[in-house]
Amino acid sequence: GQNIDQPTEMTATEGAIVQINCTYQTSGFNGLFWYQQHAGEAPTFLSYNVLDGLEEKGRFSSFLSRSKGYSYLLLKELQMKDSASYLCAVSSNTGGFKTIFGAGTRLFVKA
Amino acid sequence: DVKVTQSSRYLVKRTGEKVFLECVQDMDHENMFWYRQDPGLGLRLIYFSYDVKMKEKGDIPEGYSVSREKKERFSLILESASTNQTSMYLCATVTPPGQGADTQYFGPGTRLTVL
Repeated sequence: GQNIDQPTEMTATEGAIVQINCTYQTSGFNGLFWYQQHAGEAPTFLSYNVLDGLEEKGRFSSFLSRSKGYSYLLLKELQMKDSASYLCAVSSNTGGFKTIFGAGTRLFVKA
Repeated sequence: DVKVTQSSRYLVKRTGEKVFLECVQDMDHENMFWYRQDPGLGLRLIYFSYDVKMKEKGDIPEGYSVSREKKERFSLILESASTNQTSMYLCATVTPPGQGADTQYFGPGTRLTVL
């Protein structure tokens, strides 16, 4: 079956670095996404990985290992506005186009 | 930028009422989706559509139906609302095949409360 696991909550300090892990099981892997969702708002796209390795975009980086079914989102120089939920999502081309979302990791950034 | 709009941000309905949630996108995308999001469960796919008049069941279609009469509009229908359908409903469209990663663009969401 298809499954995505990520921690429920994390807390970090302003200015620090935090790593949010995601493990997944899927067939027909077609890419892994990270979305950011502030409370009461819609998810917004952060990153996409389809090949193994690290993708860097400013303060945010995302890593993928397809053989391990593992990804992480790295947030550097944390700011208070980074307090949000971070959703790991996997795209699969088995049985038609579909994206499976994890339950999300709620990140609290404290001063 | 892709723009996805939903008809209401907040909606309160009574048990047994018929409820329509409308979603409109302005990018001529073929694929559109309806999700519901509940605490601890994440986003769950209700229905999706590949094209006008085409629809496919997602993971939790029970109690819902959809309509796609025009490419830009995808409607979610609750035939007889129940309290367990109280949730946040999110519409999304996705980058067309061959135009890069199949990134999903979400509408602002409709928080539906069924009393």
